[in-house]
Amino acid sequence: NAGVTQTPKFRILKIGQSMTLQCTQDMNHNYMYWYRQDPGMGLKLIYYSVGAGITDKGEVPNGYNVSRSTTEDFPLRLELAAPSQTSVYFCASSRTSGRSEQFFGPGTRLTVL
Amino acid sequence: QQQVKQSPQSLIVQKGGISIINCAYENTAFDYFPWYQQFPGKGPALLIAIRPDVSEKKEGRFTISFNKSAKQFSLHIMDSQPGDSATYFCAASIGNQFYFGTGTSLTVIP
Repeated sequence: NAGVTQTPKFRILKIGQSMTLQCTQDMNHNYMYWYRQDPGMGLKLIYYSVGAGITDKGEVPNGYNVSRSTTEDFPLRLELAAPSQTSVYFCASSRTSGRSEQFFGPGTRLTVL
Repeated sequence: QQQVKQSPQSLIVQKGGISIINCAYENTAFDYFPWYQQFPGKGPALLIAIRPDVSEKKEGRFTISFNKSAKQFSLHIMDSQPGDSATYFCAASIGNQFYFGTGTSLTVIP
């Protein structure tokens, strides 16, 4: 099993551009999460999903959108990139709800200039 | 507002020593407290977790101590090894909402 995979690994965007960060898991997990990690700030939950077709906001959802059309995929969309969205983005999945282990992907480092 | 406060920011320990990282929270509705370990360039990985009805949990060299009345919990790494050098994050959750601490960079000197 590949676990949780994320693409791309690195990306530089110009202010106002849009992009989609891809996340795929092959563990048949129902729960998927998107976090951002900023230096000295820990991880902040952006959005999560409890199954295909169901998504909900986390702590810092502004400026992002998500969709969950399949169990495997949970893409994160940035519509109008801003410098404040420069961060490392991690996708994670878990078999059941909050009290179970989250498996993280390797991350996407995004820079907005 | 940081829901989970973690200290220290960095920690240097001699090989064989005990590493202690502390976390505090305010929201008594939190019902799950995991610790994650992260190596440079990698995603975090679950190390150990505890529920608030337990005061201590031990897995190998790693122990969580949980003080519900003080709203604090800590990670103890016994017999610290250079391979333990990483960043450690505490977290707390309500349902599917997770809140992470700001991280502790641990360096174990040989």
